[in-house]
Amino acid sequence: QKEVEQNSGPLSVPEGAIASLNCTYSDRGSQSFFWYRQYSGKSPELIMFIYSNGDKEDGRFTAQLNKASQYVSLLIRDSQPSDSATYLCAVRNSGYALNFGKGTSLLVTP
Amino acid sequence: EAQVTQNPRYLITVTGKKLTVTCSQNMNHEYMSWYRQDPGLGLRQIYYSMNVEVTDKGDVPEGYKVSRKEKRNFPLILESPSPNQTSLYFCASSWTSGANTGELFFGEGSRLTVL
Repeated sequence: QKEVEQNSGPLSVPEGAIASLNCTYSDRGSQSFFWYRQYSGKSPELIMFIYSNGDKEDGRFTAQLNKASQYVSLLIRDSQPSDSATYLCAVRNSGYALNFGKGTSLLVTP
Repeated sequence: EAQVTQNPRYLITVTGKKLTVTCSQNMNHEYMSWYRQDPGLGLRQIYYSMNVEVTDKGDVPEGYKVSRKEKRNFPLILESPSPNQTSLYFCASSWTSGANTGELFFGEGSRLTVL
């Protein structure tokens, strides 16, 4: 079973702080890594994708990938209450399907 | 506007009454997929399709059927729904090549209740 693991949370951070969301995966052959944000009752929307080891930045978001440790993370700088949502880590293996983690609930408190 | 459209958005039905949830995308995506989302279980893939007339099982295919007769449409069929199929269903699509490979576009979801 190709697993994607996330801490379910909730992760609570104060407004303006850095939120750090983590994800580990079991399949060493995994090729692509995605972070989706899902507000309650809504569909997931893509925030970031990363294919290579290292960091990738997009605005307040930074994705970090370490294939040797089978670890991918998402940092949200200057967290806002509107960032409160569930964050889904998704991993694409050598096949085509995306395997999703169960998500981490983030709460940003004013 | 690029979108994935699912219908119905909400449905309450009874055990054994066949139903179909439609999914249509206007982005010329090759890949389409159905997921169900349940509390504590996350998103689980039901079926997927790499292109017209090509479908394959995901992680939880039991009790579901799909077909892909046209590139834009990928309906999900529940031949004899049961209460354990009560869930939030998402259709998603993506390209299979190019710079945006793997980015899934999701429909708004269909909340199904089987009594």
